[in-house]
Amino acid sequence: QKEVEQNSGPLSVPEGAIASLNCTYSDRGSQSFFWYRQYSGKSPELIMSIYSNGDKEDGRFTAQLNKASQYVSLLIRDSQPSDSATYLCPLPSRGGYQKVTFGTGTKLQVIP
Amino acid sequence: EAGVAQSPRYKIIEKRQSVAFWCNPISGHATLYWYQQILGQGPKLLIQFQNNGVVDDSQLPKDRFSAERLKGVDSTLKIQPAKLEDSAVYLCASSLADRAGGPADTQYFGPGTRLTVL
Repeated sequence: QKEVEQNSGPLSVPEGAIASLNCTYSDRGSQSFFWYRQYSGKSPELIMSIYSNGDKEDGRFTAQLNKASQYVSLLIRDSQPSDSATYLCPLPSRGGYQKVTFGTGTKLQVIP
Repeated sequence: EAGVAQSPRYKIIEKRQSVAFWCNPISGHATLYWYQQILGQGPKLLIQFQNNGVVDDSQLPKDRFSAERLKGVDSTLKIQPAKLEDSAVYLCASSLADRAGGPADTQYFGPGTRLTVL
């Protein structure tokens, strides 16, 4: 079973809409969760980190964590064309050593 | 604060040649990662150092890839000999994490080295 499952997309949303991205994971021991954004031809950059159940908001971005259901999601409100990128949700492996596993990510296209 | 530095940014070689990549992590970051990212895929961890020790190299093709981290700071990744399927972007990342246990820490990525093997 894969450690992380993420819809590879592409996910297309119109400008101004809410984009919803999801990751499910299998390791119940995971303690920290991240969302990275990767523009084409660029390196991944951190958008959000979340460690506790519930929501965490930062500007137009909201990360949601549900440990009981084993999913983490990212909501982007008022989507802009500049949000068009691939979004990655690497999940830590239990056992320490700070290892994370990246999936293929979800490609988001915001249509003007 | 300076970010993660990598060089070269681009490299074109022929198959069976050797190549080396260099990474300088953010100052004070104990953990350093090398990833391989093939077009259309997510980053794949090749090797992870904590200080100057290897903590994970399970996905490193050891017959052709090698890496070292001198004095727990800079790191080099070498491929010898290169194959066509090694064409990819090689990303270096670092994080503060200085102990094996505990929650994973934020990783900061360098600009990457785009390798083309002809």
